[in-house]
Amino acid sequence: SQKIEQNSEALNIQEGKTATLTCNYTNYSPAYLQWYRQDPGRGPVFLLLIRENEKEKRKERLKVTFDTTLKQSLFHITASQPADSATYLCALHTGTASKLTFGTGTRLQVTL
Amino acid sequence: DAGVTQSPTHLIKTRGQQVTLRCSPKSGHDTVSWYQQALGQGPQFIFQYYEEEERQRGNFPDRFSGHQFPNYSSELNVNALLLGDSALYLCASSHWGGQGASAQHFGDGTRLSIL
Repeated sequence: SQKIEQNSEALNIQEGKTATLTCNYTNYSPAYLQWYRQDPGRGPVFLLLIRENEKEKRKERLKVTFDTTLKQSLFHITASQPADSATYLCALHTGTASKLTFGTGTRLQVTL
Repeated sequence: DAGVTQSPTHLIKTRGQQVTLRCSPKSGHDTVSWYQQALGQGPQFIFQYYEEEERQRGNFPDRFSGHQFPNYSSELNVNALLLGDSALYLCASSHWGGQGASAQHFGDGTRLSIL
């Protein structure tokens, strides 16, 4: 069966450290993978998109890697801040149009 | 520039009733997708509209239906509500085409509670 797995346990890290979140998938062949941030009571906010032929993508303090052999994406936040505390969702895009299939998300808590 | 707006923000219904949720896409966007997000879960794709037609559908029963208007706004209708329909309903807009390599812009959702 098709699955997208993100660590369901919250990730707690200290301010200034690098947070690394994992997204593993099975029985999908995504053309694109996206990462979103979601704050409580709000809709997801787009962060980064990476294509299947790209290994790495960066945007300011964010970095995403995409390994289609391992069927895994890693999402890094460097120099993390308390304001980075949120739930982070990975989403796979397969096929045409803009349908996304989301993981369950990982909650990140950055403490002082 | 207004983003995606959804109404109402909260709604309480009883089992068996019908509900209509509304969405206005971000300015310049022509495609609207609807997602259901249960507590502690990721959003699940319901369906997508472009040029006033349903283009893709997720694994949801026919009780879920939708519509897109000429101004690109959209409605989600759910009939014969069940307790399990309680969730946050999210609308997302984007540009059609480009083989789907476009960011989805989400509204803040409608929180639907079924009693």
